[in-house]
Amino acid sequence: DPKIIQKPKYLVAVTGSEKILICEQYLGHNAMYWYRQSAKKPLEFMFSYSYQKLMDNQTASSRFQPQSSKKNHLDLQITALKPDDSATYFCASSLRTGGKDTQYFGPGTRLLVL
Amino acid sequence: GEKVEQHESTLSVREGDSAVINCTYTDTASSYFPWYKQEAGKSLHFVIDIRSNVDRKQSQRLTVLLDKKAKRFSLHITATQPEDSAIYFCAADTGGLSGKLTFGEGTQVTVIS
Repeated sequence: DPKIIQKPKYLVAVTGSEKILICEQYLGHNAMYWYRQSAKKPLEFMFSYSYQKLMDNQTASSRFQPQSSKKNHLDLQITALKPDDSATYFCASSLRTGGKDTQYFGPGTRLLVL
Repeated sequence: GEKVEQHESTLSVREGDSAVINCTYTDTASSYFPWYKQEAGKSLHFVIDIRSNVDRKQSQRLTVLLDKKAKRFSLHITATQPEDSAIYFCAADTGGLSGKLTFGEGTQVTVIS
């Protein structure tokens, strides 16, 4: 059974719209992350959460808003979508944020903004 | 901020030979260095890591070496097999409580039978 679930697998959106990317982990981890992978840049850290609290935000834009309704959920809301937002978004989790623990990655959501 | 440079963008090796991927980092506060494997169209799969309290770690056919003075670490794959073909990413943490990993740009490893 997959331990990190990301929904949807693929997403096509129009410029200016808003989408929510879903992530749930069943590893019993306390830390969750979002990373982005695009053709133009290497894997890029976006956010980290620990016990549902924001630990780090490296996104330059407030259009990206993480939402944690439960300890094992970390969704990503993206507003006013732009074509440059097209990328694969990976959710990851680890036991803790500061403990140098292995981060396990979900299958990703591939977003295409037209 | 931390920068991680992955020196080989592509690497072709004959089946059974060894492959070496080299990375350098800039932040002296980095103390955790994982490696990930990504097959075409798939997610990142953790393969091995090393922490700064050691300079070598081995797991089956994989060995990671860390040279803190040179801020360099490397992944050695011995007795390569076709299933080792993938993109390999090195990464470094940033210290502190963030958990942020900074990734290199990836090395496409192709094992030729």
